[in-house]
Amino acid sequence: DIQMTQSPSSLSASVGDRVTITCRASQSISSYLNWYQQKPGKAPKLLIYAASSLQSGVPSRFSGSGSGTDFTLTISSLQPEDFATYYCQQSYSTLMYSFGQGTKLEIK
Amino acid sequence: EVQLVESGGGLVKPGGSLRLSCAASGFTFSSYSMNWVRQAPGKGLEWVSSISSSSSYIYYADSVKGRFTISRDNAKNSLYLQMNSLRAEDTAVYYCARSLAYYSSGWSHAFDIWGQGTMVTVSS
Repeated sequence: DIQMTQSPSSLSASVGDRVTITCRASQSISSYLNWYQQKPGKAPKLLIYAASSLQSGVPSRFSGSGSGTDFTLTISSLQPEDFATYYCQQSYSTLMYSFGQGTKLEIK
Repeated sequence: EVQLVESGGGLVKPGGSLRLSCAASGFTFSSYSMNWVRQAPGKGLEWVSSISSSSSYIYYADSVKGRFTISRDNAKNSLYLQMNSLRAEDTAVYYCARSLAYYSSGWSHAFDIWGQGTMVTVSS
């Protein structure tokens, strides 16, 4: 099984800050990495797929990078609506689309 | 409007069964692979199962293999999850999600449309 590990588990930041969240896979997953945003009581929302492709309608302040085992999600300038929990997901193995444990982004 | 609406959740005793449904609208359901993802209270996301557009390919998480069955009815634009031998650890919000197929040195998927979720509680 491919394990996904996110860091940090939680993060405090201010509006306007640049924030980076890291996701590491237990084995190489090429660029088969997706990022989601989830707000309390809501369904997840796809932000980034294929490690760096921005999903339609997602603001350009969100970006993704990486390949192999190490990936990052960057928010260039935090907006109030960005405070949420973020999950990475590997889609290299169709036998198990595993998610990271999540990173909770809170207001400082 | 592209939409997924889950139903069928509720309270069930350990060892019991439940069938979840997901009604799709606003897109050609028969062209997409579909998925179930769950989230235990206060916990992260856990992929449960996936089914290809024609039901030719079906995958399950180890945690539900042999107990859960995913199926679909393309004529009714509906996805299902039959859950048997339920355990307390199956307590979660269950989401259905549509697969977005993409190519990046090979074909893969992301989950681009999600339903609002349906709560399943397994408790005596």
